[in-house]
Amino acid sequence: KAGVTQTPRYLIKTRGQQVTLSCSPISGHRSVSWYQQTPGQGLQFLFEYFSETQRNKGNFPGRFSGRQFSNSRSEMNVSTLELGDSALYLCASSLGGTGNQPQHFGDGTRLSIL
Amino acid sequence: QKEVEQNSGPLSVPEGAIASLNCTYSDRGSQSFFWYRQYSGKSPELIMSIYSNGDKEDGRFTAQLNKASQYVSLLIRDSQPSDSATYLCAVRELTFGTGTRLTIIP
Repeated sequence: KAGVTQTPRYLIKTRGQQVTLSCSPISGHRSVSWYQQTPGQGLQFLFEYFSETQRNKGNFPGRFSGRQFSNSRSEMNVSTLELGDSALYLCASSLGGTGNQPQHFGDGTRLSIL
Repeated sequence: QKEVEQNSGPLSVPEGAIASLNCTYSDRGSQSFFWYRQYSGKSPELIMSIYSNGDKEDGRFTAQLNKASQYVSLLIRDSQPSDSATYLCAVRELTFGTGTRLTIIP
């Protein structure tokens, strides 16, 4: 069974630009979650999508948005990039029905803001 | 109070000894608990799930859950240098601790 696939693996952007990251979950998984990981802050929850609806949201500004398609694939968009947005962005999928399923992580997208 | 708290470490353990990692959580209604291992530069990978009070063993790993005291722990027996990583505790699906960095000393 293929794992969670994130593209691209690396991105370099400049301040003020916007970026879109993509995540394909494990087949049959309906929940997709996004996290930001930085050395100082650990794993920070951004949002979770289940059946094309945002089910949970973390404490990030509105510049961070996402969506989920009918095939469960998800995209995350960050607008007006800031230097502090440099981080590893991780996507995770789960079966998602009960909210008590383990997460399976992709390899991440490393975003660098110049 | 953070929802999930872990000692950030680093925790250094001699090779062959038992490594003990601890995690406390604030939501008494939590029903599911997970341990993930994250090697430097890699993404987290699931190593244990536990849902009921008591111990759950999987090879050299044992997860312990005490809902009354609101803590969950992970024991690694016969620690190996390959166990050196950051260990993340998660409560329910989405709430992660900041992780404990474990170093196994040969």
